[in-house]
Amino acid sequence: AQRVTQPEKLLSVFKGAPVELKCNYSYSGSPELFWYVQYSRQRLQLLLRHISRESIKGFTADLNKGETSFHLKKPFAQEEDSAMYYCALYEKGAQKLVFGQGTRLTINP
Amino acid sequence: EAGVVQSPRYKIIEKKQPVAFWCNPISGHNTLYWYRQNLGQGPELLIRYENEEAVDDSQLPKDRFSAERLKGVDSTLKIQPAELGDSAVYLCASSSRLLSSSNYGYTFGSGTRLTVV
Repeated sequence: AQRVTQPEKLLSVFKGAPVELKCNYSYSGSPELFWYVQYSRQRLQLLLRHISRESIKGFTADLNKGETSFHLKKPFAQEEDSAMYYCALYEKGAQKLVFGQGTRLTINP
Repeated sequence: EAGVVQSPRYKIIEKKQPVAFWCNPISGHNTLYWYRQNLGQGPELLIRYENEEAVDDSQLPKDRFSAERLKGVDSTLKIQPAELGDSAVYLCASSSRLLSSSNYGYTFGSGTRLTVV
């Protein structure tokens, strides 16, 4: 079965420190991966897509097929980055997103 | 653009009572999804519609859950009767065939937080 694993439920770092939110996946084909973010009292929204290789709000994520990982990184955390972060895999056959359990990121001042 | 609109935002009901959630997707989005998000978990798909047709309802507990998408636009998700374990956030999302979901993901609504007491 396709699976997305986010090993850390909680992650706390200080402002200005680097951040890395881990995501590992299992998928038999060529994966399509996403990071979604949910700020307090806001809806779940797309942060970035691996296919576009973009940087959004200073975050980047690189697909590592050898390690089956798609970790989210930011070199200098800001307080407004505090949120829930979900890694998601697009399951092509079923045409659906499969989500990890999420990581709550807290940036301390 | 209002985005994906869901109502109500919150609902508290007693167990064994019925409840319904409503979703209005983004105009022109032919694909609509209902996800359930239990506390401390990521969202899990309940049902997917392509226009008015439910093309994947394999994860929908059909003994008590039902959904419809008349005219291929708005959708309603119903639980009857509700159980304590149904307490969760119910999310609606939509996507467009023109924008491949595998490339662009979905747009989610704000969700309905259901509490069954």
